Order: sequence, then structure tokens, then C-alpha cells
Amino acid sequence: GQQLNQSPQSMFIQEGEDVSMNCTSSSIFNTWLWYKQDPGEGPVLLIALYKAGELTSNGRLTAQFGITRKDSFLNISASIPSDVGIYFCAGQPWTGKLIFGQGTTLQVKP
Amino acid sequence: DTAVSQTPKYLVTQMGNDKSIKCEQNLGHDTMYWYKQDSKKFLKIMFSYNNKELIINETVPNRFSPKSPDKAHLNLHINSLELGDSAVYFCASSQDGQYGYTFGSGTRLTVV
Repeated sequence: GQQLNQSPQSMFIQEGEDVSMNCTSSSIFNTWLWYKQDPGEGPVLLIALYKAGELTSNGRLTAQFGITRKDSFLNISASIPSDVGIYFCAGQPWTGKLIFGQGTTLQVKP
Repeated sequence: DTAVSQTPKYLVTQMGNDKSIKCEQNLGHDTMYWYKQDSKKFLKIMFSYNNKELIINETVPNRFSPKSPDKAHLNLHINSLELGDSAVYFCASSQDGQYGYTFGSGTRLTVV
């Protein structure tokens, strides 16, 4: 079946640092999504991307839909303690189910 | 107002028991899902319903049976619970299966 490879698996950074994570797939997707999951909660949508090459920002977060349609990255600038959590990429083909990456666990040291 | 709500939040039960998890969404979405998140945090789809009809049924044991009485509700019944069923189960909804899924806050099932 389709799989997404998300990296890195975990990150431990200092407050104020920038963070970058990415997802790659062997298949083409028509939609890329980035979610954040806080402890004890469900994933919450951060950014949705619908066009190859699209670059979208949401506050300190920036995500891009790769031009090959097989990858996406998420950047977080000037990290703060509340950025802690698990970040998931998710890709969806034109007709089909949403597939999630394995997640990136982010820890921020004040 | 909670968009996707699941009950219960926590469920501890013995092996062999039968249990149900309920999910309701007030977003007016036409598609609902059940996901399972294992101990490694991997999210795997189990079922999907569109307007009360089952459209995705992954390789899930027959002991799991979803039921959608209307497009705002999707329940999950599990028979003969096993230790390996311990996980967090998430309900989600979307419109037309697109534009991002909205998740509930999860039900942590522990089978002892």
C-alpha cells in the first residue's frame, strides 16, 4: 500500500530555533496536509496544500507542496515551548483515503 | 461547541468483553472515519462512511463493527476484546472526503 516517510522521527531543540521536517512518498498526491497532535488530544489541521509548488504560511509555520507531488515540508520559525507535540504529514490521492506519515515528535527546551 | 465529539474519553475493560465507542459531528460533513493510533503513534484508518454507507473497510478483524445511524453519527462496536486492541481510537469527519479531516479528541481503550 501507499506509504509516507516522515523525517526526522524526533527533534529536541532550543527555544527560538527554527525547525524543519519533511515527508516523501513513492506515489503522487493531490493534497498534502500537516497536522499537530497535543498530548491527550486529536490531530489538529495546521496547513492544507492543494497545488504542486504551493507555499503556504500560517503564522510561524510554512509548508510547501513539492513540485513532483511526492513530497512536502513544514518549517516552524522561532520555536516556542507550546510548539511541543507530534507533527504529522498526510497525503491524499485524487480519490482515496488520507494516509499519514509516522509523525515527528518535537520537544522545545526553554 | 465541539465539532467532533467522542465518548467515552477513557475505557478500561477486561479481555473478552464487548464495548462501544460513540462519535458525533456537528459540522454538517457527509463522511466520517475511525482511525486507530497505536503505541508508536501511527495513525491507521479502519473504516469510512459516506452518508451512512460504508466506503472504506481496511483489513480490520470482524470483531470490529461500525454503525452509522445517520450522517452525523458513527459508532464503533468491538466484540471479544483482546489485549492487542489497546490503543487510542479517533473519530474524524470531512466533506466529500476532501479538504482536511477534523478529528475528535480520541478514546483511549485499555484491555486488561
